[in-house]
Amino acid sequence: DSGVTQTPKHLITATGQRVTLRCSPRSGDLSVYWYQQSLDQGLQFLIQYYNGEERAKGNILERFSAQQFPDLHSELNLSSLELGDSALYFCASSVSMEDYGYTFGSGTRLTVV
Amino acid sequence: GENVEQHPSTLSVQEGDSAVIKCTYSDSASNYFPWYKQELGKGPQLIIDIRSNVGEKKDQRIAVTLNKTAKHFSLHITETQPEDSAVYFCAASSNAGGTSYGKLTFGQGTILTVHP
Repeated sequence: DSGVTQTPKHLITATGQRVTLRCSPRSGDLSVYWYQQSLDQGLQFLIQYYNGEERAKGNILERFSAQQFPDLHSELNLSSLELGDSALYFCASSVSMEDYGYTFGSGTRLTVV
Repeated sequence: GENVEQHPSTLSVQEGDSAVIKCTYSDSASNYFPWYKQELGKGPQLIIDIRSNVGEKKDQRIAVTLNKTAKHFSLHITETQPEDSAVYFCAASSNAGGTSYGKLTFGQGTILTVHP
C-alpha cells in the first residue's frame, strides 16, 4: 500500500456520461497530480494541485476538470465521455511542489462503452 | 515542451545478467530524472532518481547515470532477478516555473522480462 488511495478501482460507463474519480494523498502530502495512462500515449500529465490551488496544467481536455478540497483529497471529473477516454487514471502525491518524487496510487481503470 | 525518448521498448534477459535502459530528453532546463517501476495492476513506484548536479547514483543493484551534455540518462540493473520483471519508465522534470511547474514527462516505458 503506497498510502495514496484511489477510488473506484474500476469504472465502466457509457459514452456521453460523467464520472468522478477520487484520490486521497499520503498523509502530510500537500501536492496532488493526476496522470492518464493509455497504451498509445503512455503516462500523460493532466493537472497538479498544491494545498487546494491549481499549480500546473498539462494537455487536459476541457471536458475534464479537477479540484483539491480543504482536507487535501482531490477529485477528477470527466464529462461527455468518449470511447477514447478509456484509460488508467493515476493520482500521485508529494510533500511539496518542488518534490517530484511522487508516490502513485494504484489507479482507476475507466472503460467507456 | 519536454520530450523523453526511451529505448528499448522491450528487454529480455536471463536471471543474473545486467539490464540497461536508456532515455534521452530534449529540454536542457530539465534537472530531475526519476525512474519508476510498474508491476501489473499497480501504480508506478519510484525506484531511483538523480538530479542534474550529480553524474551517477547507486542503490544496491540499481544505478542511474546522467550525461547532461548529451542529454541522456540510463538505468542499470545488475544481477537481475525474476521479480525485477516489470515495466520501467524514465521521466524528466524542470522546476523552471510557469505552466510546466510540477510536471513529469515520462518515456514510453520498457517491458523488462527476466527469465529464471
